Amino acid sequence: GNSVTQMEGPVTLSEEAFLTINCTYTATGYPSLFWYVQYPGEGLQLLLKATKADDKGSNKGFEATYRKETTSFHLEKGSVQVSDSAVYFCALNGGATNKLIFGTGTLLAVQP
Amino acid sequence: SAVISQKPSRDICQRGTSLTIQCQVDSQVTMMFWYRQQPGQSLTLIATANQGSEATYESGFVIDKFPISRPNLTFSTLTVSNMSPEDSSIYLCSVETSGTSGTYEQYFGPGTRLTVT
Repeated sequence: GNSVTQMEGPVTLSEEAFLTINCTYTATGYPSLFWYVQYPGEGLQLLLKATKADDKGSNKGFEATYRKETTSFHLEKGSVQVSDSAVYFCALNGGATNKLIFGTGTLLAVQP
Repeated sequence: SAVISQKPSRDICQRGTSLTIQCQVDSQVTMMFWYRQQPGQSLTLIATANQGSEATYESGFVIDKFPISRPNLTFSTLTVSNMSPEDSSIYLCSVETSGTSGTYEQYFGPGTRLTVT
């Protein structure tokens, strides 16, 4: 069945450092891929998405490219800020039901 | 996108009691979902709330424990019945809307943080 694997956290970075959070997936067909962010005490917010191979999703300085050959959708940001501290979830949907399948989440802590 | 509200935002309940969580969306949507997020963990889909018919439950979740109502296209409730401390979680509702290029996106409510003592 479909699944998502994320790198384990926590990821601790200094402000202005480069961020990569790895995400790989297993799916039949051609799923859509998403990154969600959950700030402390809040619900999930859709950060970015990509719907087909080689698509790049981007938002708020974050970006991720849908790589079918490596079944990956790694999240990157060139210069993180303290306000980016949150849990990041990679997810996919695909198939007739459009159910979202989430990775385990990666906690990012950015220190000033 | 969609604006989703949930009530209550948090509650502390005694074991054996039940809590009903409400989810309201600002536009009509076909698909609404209920998720559970246990402490420090990812999201697990409980069920899909279908308007006009019974909810569709995922493996490991049953209607007697998590009855769901969906009386119209903007509202749904989830009840956590006969609670035990293991039910302490964040419960989130989400809705599916059509995004760009005909793709689908899910948007989430702020969640209800439930603690069972």
